Amino acid sequence: DADVTQTPRNRITKTGKRIMLECSQTKGHDRMYWYRQDPGLGLRLIYYSFDVKDINKGEISDGYSVSRQAQAKFSLSLESAIPNQTALYFCATSDTDRDPYNEQFFGPGTRLTVL
Amino acid sequence: AQRVTQPEKLLSVFKGAPVELKCNYSYSGSPELFWYVQYSRQRLQLLLRHISRESIKGFTADLNKGETSFHLKKPFAQEEDSAMYYCALSGLDSSYKLIFGSGTRLLVRP
Repeated sequence: DADVTQTPRNRITKTGKRIMLECSQTKGHDRMYWYRQDPGLGLRLIYYSFDVKDINKGEISDGYSVSRQAQAKFSLSLESAIPNQTALYFCATSDTDRDPYNEQFFGPGTRLTVL
Repeated sequence: AQRVTQPEKLLSVFKGAPVELKCNYSYSGSPELFWYVQYSRQRLQLLLRHISRESIKGFTADLNKGETSFHLKKPFAQEEDSAMYYCALSGLDSSYKLIFGSGTRLLVRP
């Protein structure tokens, strides 16, 4: 869905560097999510935000932090990147008002490689 | 515990053959079940969900509460169905977050 965008789409960095991945949405959805995708492990939730003032850890939040700068923007930071954070990262949104079960809409993904 | 299990990492079939991608779940209440699909180099997108009871691209899925399953089926696979498929659930106990299975890669051979 083109209404959920992620930047950058690809990033190669070195161990120890700070990295920020950005997600923007024009759908007006209240909830936003960050996932990482690894082969054989599927999608794992890193952080999620129910609104600007409500941010929650997911199942694998260690080594990551997030910022919900506005309803439309949700950034994921790796304070000191390590090689096992090499993965495909997805942002997603959902609209509680429209769908209480929160069908999620995904961005195109950011492929991050940590050397 | 809330959990979604997709027992097959890879399912390989020939074009025209029937397909069934298995999904079992563990959940104490009444969840909503979803199937998401990810085609090569594309984002995840919703394929279908239980509440809508639609058939999308020839795929159907029936919720079996007794067996706690939501298997995805298609009678005649096409090569363009080759993709990664994820089963997911959402409900009150998960604060309506989606809980995903580990995914099944479907490969449809010509």
